Amino acid sequence: DIQMTQSPSSLSASVGDRVTITCRASQGISNSLAWYQQKPGKAPKLLLYAASRLESGVPSRFSGSGSGTDYTLTISSLQPEDFATYYCQQYYSTPHTFGQGTKLEIK
Amino acid sequence: QVQLVQSGSELKKPGASVKVSCKASGYTFTSYAMNWVRQAPGQGLEWMGWINTNTGNPTYAQGFTGRFVFSLDTSVSTAYLQISSLKAEDTAVYYCARVGKPYSSILNWFDPWGQGTLVTVSS
Repeated sequence: DIQMTQSPSSLSASVGDRVTITCRASQGISNSLAWYQQKPGKAPKLLLYAASRLESGVPSRFSGSGSGTDYTLTISSLQPEDFATYYCQQYYSTPHTFGQGTKLEIK
Repeated sequence: QVQLVQSGSELKKPGASVKVSCKASGYTFTSYAMNWVRQAPGQGLEWMGWINTNTGNPTYAQGFTGRFVFSLDTSVSTAYLQISSLKAEDTAVYYCARVGKPYSSILNWFDPWGQGTLVTVSS
């Protein structure tokens, strides 16, 4: 199975900050990576797929990059509604695996 | 719009069974595979497996064989997850999640997700 390691596991930031979350796969996944946002009591919501493709309707302050085993999610200017938990997911092979999550909190 | 609507929360005793439904609307149900994902309280996301909505063939991830059954009723565009012999450790929110592209393999992102069904197992 491919292990996905996210860092940091939690992050405190302020509105307007630029933040970056990293996801590392235990083997190359050829950009088969998605990022999800989950708010308390809600289902995960797709933000990006294929590492860098923005899902329709997602604000452009969200961006993704990376290749091989290392990928990043960047939020260019945090908004109040962005405080949530973020997960990466590899879909290069089954079983699909997720990172352990990064909880983004207000400083 | 495309959406998945799941059945409501369940409270079950150990040893009982539960069946969670996931009703799809806004798209052709049989064109997209359906996944099931578990989230234990305060924990991350765990993929349970998927079902081919065209053939009805299920595939279970390791750890989800034996007591877990995926099924379909294509006449009402609904996928089901049944869990038997419930244990306290089955307490979790269960999500259905469609693959992102039609006629594609299971190697795809998940979008959309159902709203989740909380299954609580307690005596």
